Amino acid sequence: QKEVEQNSGPLSVPEGAIASLNCTYSDRGSQSFFWYRQYSGKSPELIMSIYSNGDKEDGRFTAQLNKASQYVSLLIRDSQPSDSATYLCAVNRDDKIIFGKGTRLHILP
Amino acid sequence: GAGVSQSPSNKVTEKGKDVELRCDPISGHTALYWYRQSLGQGLEFLIYFQGNSAPDKSGLPSDRFSAERTGGSVSTLTIQRTQQEDSAVYLCASSLNPRDSYGYTFGSGTRLTVV
Repeated sequence: QKEVEQNSGPLSVPEGAIASLNCTYSDRGSQSFFWYRQYSGKSPELIMSIYSNGDKEDGRFTAQLNKASQYVSLLIRDSQPSDSATYLCAVNRDDKIIFGKGTRLHILP
Repeated sequence: GAGVSQSPSNKVTEKGKDVELRCDPISGHTALYWYRQSLGQGLEFLIYFQGNSAPDKSGLPSDRFSAERTGGSVSTLTIQRTQQEDSAVYLCASSLNPRDSYGYTFGSGTRLTVV
């Protein structure tokens, strides 16, 4: 079982709609969870972090964590073409972060 | 510096040659990480440095890979006898401490091509 699993996509969402990205992880000891956005040819940039069960909102982004189900999600409201990118789910293991392979998101104008 | 700096940004090398990749972390960041990203793949952990502790080398794919960090700052990743499968983007990241609530800050990467 992979440590961090994501659907590779592409996920196509109309502009203005809600994009929902999902991730599962295997290590029940993980305490920190992150979502990174990576544009083509660029480095990943952190957009959300979450540590407690429930929802965390930041602007158009909402991260959701369910430790019992070992599930993390990212919702992007009012999707914009500039949101088109690969979204990497990441989970801490010991003192390092393990990344999923990412989900490609395409916002349709 | 203001961000994580990596050099060179691009490197083309012949199979069998050795290469050195450099990372200059954000000033004051004690934790430094190297990752590798192959085309269309996620980030693969390579090695992690924290202060003066022994590095976590658990992600290095073979003994051709090594890394050092001098003076708790600049790090060099060395790949000996490069192979075509080593072609990838090598990313360096740093953080204030390993449990930094803000995750890592990545450099812009070194794109390595082995021909």
